[in-house]
Amino acid sequence: DQQVKQNSPSLSVQEGRISILNCDYTNSMFDYFLWYKKYPAEGPTFLISISSIKDKNEDGRFTVFLNKSAKHLSLHIVPSQPGDSAVYFCAASAETSGSRLTFGEGTQLTVNP
Amino acid sequence: DADVTQTPRNRITKTGKRIMLECSQTKGHDRMYWYRQDPGLGLRLIYYSFDVKDINKGEISDGYSVSRQAQAKFSLSLESAIPNQTALYFCATRRANYNEQFFGPGTRLTVL
Repeated sequence: DQQVKQNSPSLSVQEGRISILNCDYTNSMFDYFLWYKKYPAEGPTFLISISSIKDKNEDGRFTVFLNKSAKHLSLHIVPSQPGDSAVYFCAASAETSGSRLTFGEGTQLTVNP
Repeated sequence: DADVTQTPRNRITKTGKRIMLECSQTKGHDRMYWYRQDPGLGLRLIYYSFDVKDINKGEISDGYSVSRQAQAKFSLSLESAIPNQTALYFCATRRANYNEQFFGPGTRLTVL
């Protein structure tokens, strides 16, 4: 069963606008959430994370929101830049399972100049 | 920044061959992971290790084995490769008590 789901395989936005990437999860034991960015021919790189005790975490142009009651998190990128074009993976972990990461399928973001 | 390195970067092999993918890290992290990425499926955990003497199966370990030769080295083996093991393979490391994992550049494996 897919415990972490990213329902949008792709997203296209204009440069300067906001990009919103969504992620849903089913396992209520998840207590830490991360976003990774992946360029072609490279490994995923850590972008931003949030603990389940928070509902928002911000780092520059990137903000992650967590809605625990809805088991939903989102990544906001504003303003979007062409260099943000990449695949974005949502991941979740639970301390009870040794903090192993469970990944979503990924969303391909394309930012058009 | 080549803190996590993987060799080879690309490999084409035939069904039934034994293949070893290697991962080395200079980050000093004690925890290491092997994932595979398939289109539309994200990254799935194959094996992980918390230290040299601790090896654990992930969600898709069948057909794979691993060896943790030292804290800095973690190898993944396919004893008898089959075409559905064609995928991108990533090694990752993590420091104890931190959640972020750091990934290598990946190995693209094709099994004909």
